[in-house]
Amino acid sequence: EAGVAQSPRYKIIEKRQSVAFWCNPISGHATLYWYQQILGQGPKLLIQFQNNGVVDDSQLPKDRFSAERLKGVDSTLKIQPAKLEDSAVYLCASTAGADTQYFGPGTRLTVL
Amino acid sequence: SQQGEEDPQALSIQEGENATMNCSYKTSINNLQWYRQNSGRGLVHLILIRSNEREKHSGRLRVTLDTSKKSSSLLITASRAADTASYFCATDAHSTLTFGKGTMLLVSP
Repeated sequence: EAGVAQSPRYKIIEKRQSVAFWCNPISGHATLYWYQQILGQGPKLLIQFQNNGVVDDSQLPKDRFSAERLKGVDSTLKIQPAKLEDSAVYLCASTAGADTQYFGPGTRLTVL
Repeated sequence: SQQGEEDPQALSIQEGENATMNCSYKTSINNLQWYRQNSGRGLVHLILIRSNEREKHSGRLRVTLDTSKKSSSLLITASRAADTASYFCATDAHSTLTFGKGTMLLVSP
């Protein structure tokens, strides 16, 4: 079974630029999550999708972050404009409805 | 906000020794999970313990949960160099996970 795929693996941008991350969850997993993990901390949930609907986006900084999951499969997370404090690893996870979440390798973002 | 808090922040042991990590949390939970993260990688699920369970085993892993104290522990027995990683507890209260800051475990050969 293929795992959660994410791209790119690394991204370096300058502040005020825009960036987008892509996630392909495990086939058949209805629930998809985006997390932000700042160095030295645990992952923090940004947004949760159930199929193509948003379940929880209470911690998503909506003035600069946006996410979509148009067909209930792949998802993209966008930041525009980026700030220095957005430097982090962005993790995507999916689940079929059971408790265990399966994580992708993450995208490491550096904002200069 | 991060609900789980792991203790210690870092742990260094020799191969063959046991490693114990603790996690404390603040609110009621449905279950508590432990994840491992190798440097530069995603998180891997290790074990889940439900709020009505007190102890669970999986291979060399043993997890305990004390809901009255709002705490959990993860014991790794007979550690190996390959166990070197960061370990996170995550509480599940409303079908979303809240992670702690993690314990960095270093197992030296």
